[in-house]
Amino acid sequence: DGGITQSPKYLFRKEGQNVTLSCEQNLNHDAMYWYRQDPGQGLRLIYYSQIVNDFQKGDIAEGYSVSREKKESFPLTVTSAQKNPTAFYLCASSMRRAGGETQYFGPGTRLLVL
Amino acid sequence: QQQVKQSPQSLIVQKGGISIINCAYENTAFDYFPWYQQFPGKGPALLIAIRPDVSEKKEGRFTISFNKSAKQFSLHIMDSQPGDSATYFCALPNSNSGYALNFGKGTSLLVTP
Repeated sequence: DGGITQSPKYLFRKEGQNVTLSCEQNLNHDAMYWYRQDPGQGLRLIYYSQIVNDFQKGDIAEGYSVSREKKESFPLTVTSAQKNPTAFYLCASSMRRAGGETQYFGPGTRLLVL
Repeated sequence: QQQVKQSPQSLIVQKGGISIINCAYENTAFDYFPWYQQFPGKGPALLIAIRPDVSEKKEGRFTISFNKSAKQFSLHIMDSQPGDSATYFCALPNSNSGYALNFGKGTSLLVTP
């Protein structure tokens, strides 16, 4: 089955700790995205990557970092600099770097602060 | 950044009724207007999308209507069912962000039996 997997489903972060959210796709898609979802806020773009070894900041990149070493993988690290990390994190991918392409979403990771 | 304004924020419809959700935008570089559906605890999934070489597109009980001059597009759910209860988002691709989507804030739809 083709799709996007995210892990873990739930993640707990202690203050001052960096945590990494996994995103893997086997759709052979070029473009990948990370969004953050807060209640009543819709989805906001954190980072995006159009090709391997290249990524760009989105609207709310502060306190986050990413890497794109492989086409199928786009992990997101929530650093200690992110002061309000509690949210639902969604990874998405699309086939090409073009408008009009369907974005496919993973099941999400819910991050909670201890 | 392309702004997308979605209304209403929440909607309660009786089973069999029509659900209508609206989106307004300021400008867009793309003729592509998608709607996503999200169930609680899940990722969004594309429900239906329109390219406005037509003013309306219908897929089953779901219809997108597009008004280019008014810069608005809407989602109509006919014969709404309790299984349609979900959050719906309109979105626009953003060429300044690798064609990431700018989402509306969402409409929480509840269809009562």
